[in-house]
Amino acid sequence: QLVVTQSPSASASLGASVKLTCTLSSGHSTYAIAWHQQQPEKGPRFLIKLNSDGSHSKGDGIPDRFSGSSSGAERYLTISSLQSEDEADYYCQTWGTGIQVFGGGTKLTVL
Amino acid sequence: QVTLKESGPVLVKPTETLTLTCTVSGFSLSNARMGVSWIRQPPGKALEWLAHIFSNDEKSYSTSLKSRLTISKDTSKSHVVLTMTNIDPMDTATYFCARIVDIVATNWGQGTLVTVSS
Repeated sequence: QLVVTQSPSASASLGASVKLTCTLSSGHSTYAIAWHQQQPEKGPRFLIKLNSDGSHSKGDGIPDRFSGSSSGAERYLTISSLQSEDEADYYCQTWGTGIQVFGGGTKLTVL
Repeated sequence: QVTLKESGPVLVKPTETLTLTCTVSGFSLSNARMGVSWIRQPPGKALEWLAHIFSNDEKSYSTSLKSRLTISKDTSKSHVVLTMTNIDPMDTATYFCARIVDIVATNWGQGTLVTVSS
């Protein structure tokens, strides 16, 4: 069964960097994923599509502070130079034939 | 500029049928590789994919909700419609539509909150 797993929460200090993880289920380690940001009381925003080889493409207007990388079944979102507006929920999304799956989201707190 | 806007009832009674419309602009529903997904989010909870439809009319549904969902599009009106039958209070959520390009949700609507209550 295609599943993506995320840690429920993460925190980092203003100006620092943070790395969020999305883990693909067994047998699906070559799947691509997408990261989405949802700020409080807003709709989600597409950040980045990330392939298993680490290649990626970003959404329109997404700052260079947001980057993605891959290792095995794990897909990462790194946010550098954290700003207060980065405090949000981050969701990873993956897909297969005729199906899409979202992770449970990671709530990022900027200290 | 790509925009999507969800519309539909704010309050629905249990057992009724919910009909939601996504009106898109800035792209055509006939564009190759493009489509629209419906995703929902119960209050305080995670996103849940419901269904999607592509420009070639290919449709897919969440396995757990497949029997209750129907997705369709009217390209001339730039509308994508989702119907959900036999509504239950557990279906209370904000419903989003999103443009998908090669299945990736690249643009999202602002969402519409639907409350199910008698």
